[in-house]
Amino acid sequence: QVQLVQSGAEVKRPGASVKVSCKASGYTFTSQNMHWVRQAPGQGPEWMGIINPSGGSPTYEQKLQGRVTVTRDTSTSTVYMELSSLTSEDTAVYYCARDSGRHSFDHWGQGTLVIVSS
Amino acid sequence: QSALTQPASVSGSPGQSITISCTGTSSDVGGYNYVSWYQQHPGKAPKFMIFDVSNRPSGVSNRFSGSKSGNTASLTISGLQAEDEAFYYCSSYTGYNWVFGGGTKLTVL
Repeated sequence: QVQLVQSGAEVKRPGASVKVSCKASGYTFTSQNMHWVRQAPGQGPEWMGIINPSGGSPTYEQKLQGRVTVTRDTSTSTVYMELSSLTSEDTAVYYCARDSGRHSFDHWGQGTLVIVSS
Repeated sequence: QSALTQPASVSGSPGQSITISCTGTSSDVGGYNYVSWYQQHPGKAPKFMIFDVSNRPSGVSNRFSGSKSGNTASLTISGLQAEDEAFYYCSSYTGYNWVFGGGTKLTVL
């Protein structure tokens, strides 16, 4: 069965960076794109970016361009999301989510809580 | 502020039907048949419920159905059950990114 297992919660100071991992199993890692989506407390989800694990450049949400970097390691079937210059507005649960092949998100990681606080 | 507009809350009694709306623009909901819906229980990850406006993934109950008219998509849940109480989010592909609604809290009375 498809599983996406993410790294644990993080607490960061404003201005710092955070890197979250997402290890995929149960399917061919390179066959499906992977998204990153975040959800601030009490808010709807917000799409952050997408990567094709087979290669090619990731695509990012315009408002995050320059602060977010999504990478992948095919040897470990892991996708990473790094967000820099953190502010309190980046406090959220961050999810990796597999693309269904139909522009939707069919499997989600368990989420990683990132708290930005001084 | 979310790109897609959903009602903050809806409610219904067990056995009844409810509909949740999701209003966007011709650049997202109205322009593509790539509307999807997600169910989220508190503290849990979203669950994939509907894709391509009206298709159900395998394993999702046929009590859940989706539709679209113009710039507004809808999720209908029939035969409400206690376990349906959750938040529901819509999403749409826009041609270059994805947008979500702010979510609707479904209360089963």
